[in-house]
Amino acid sequence: DTGVSQDPRHKITKRGQNVTFRCDPISEHNRLYWYRQTLGQGPEFLTYFQNEAQLEKSRLLSDRFSAERPKGSFSTLEIQRTEQGDSAMYLCASSFLGGGNYGYTFGSGTRLTVV
Amino acid sequence: GENVEQHPSTLSVQEGDSAVIKCTYSDSASNYFPWYKQELGKRPQLIIDIRSNVGEKKDQRIAVTLNKTAKHFSLHITETQPEDSAVYFCARWAGTALIFGKGTTLSVSS
Repeated sequence: DTGVSQDPRHKITKRGQNVTFRCDPISEHNRLYWYRQTLGQGPEFLTYFQNEAQLEKSRLLSDRFSAERPKGSFSTLEIQRTEQGDSAMYLCASSFLGGGNYGYTFGSGTRLTVV
Repeated sequence: GENVEQHPSTLSVQEGDSAVIKCTYSDSASNYFPWYKQELGKRPQLIIDIRSNVGEKKDQRIAVTLNKTAKHFSLHITETQPEDSAVYFCARWAGTALIFGKGTTLSVSS
């Protein structure tokens, strides 16, 4: 296990289509986060899981977005009826929250382009 | 309340000079402040962090200082090298997740 893996690295989709991204965190990490990053901006928080429970969702996460982490391991982020404004880099990060440790390890991201 | 303000947005220095990036926040409950470096097309990587019970932390050429009273923290890079060129993000722990600044693009010219 060498880090956080995200798949695919790039996705081009037509407006209105559904897309799904996958994140495989570091195996011993209990927290998994999804962020969105647009050009010239910092990562913006979308949602996070502790084990399999989704504990918080940002107001950025519209009802077209859904995330799951069914067995507390990998996670998926689905965007339904994509819009051009959804074009961004979607970053996954994982961490082990305990003993005062808050640091993340990020994946390489999935770059989504909606045409 | 929630955002982290980061300045400057771009910074150009000559190789060997020092670079300083500053971030401010307003939530006094924040207790953890990391800095991430993101090279073009790559993932953000943690380079240094500081907790609220410490005023300064150093790791070779990089250091972070924290002023909890004034609610600001800064990244200091000394003896800059071309490979330091990247986008740097500050962040604060907001109780459940990290909130990031908008980033500083550092360019080091040789």
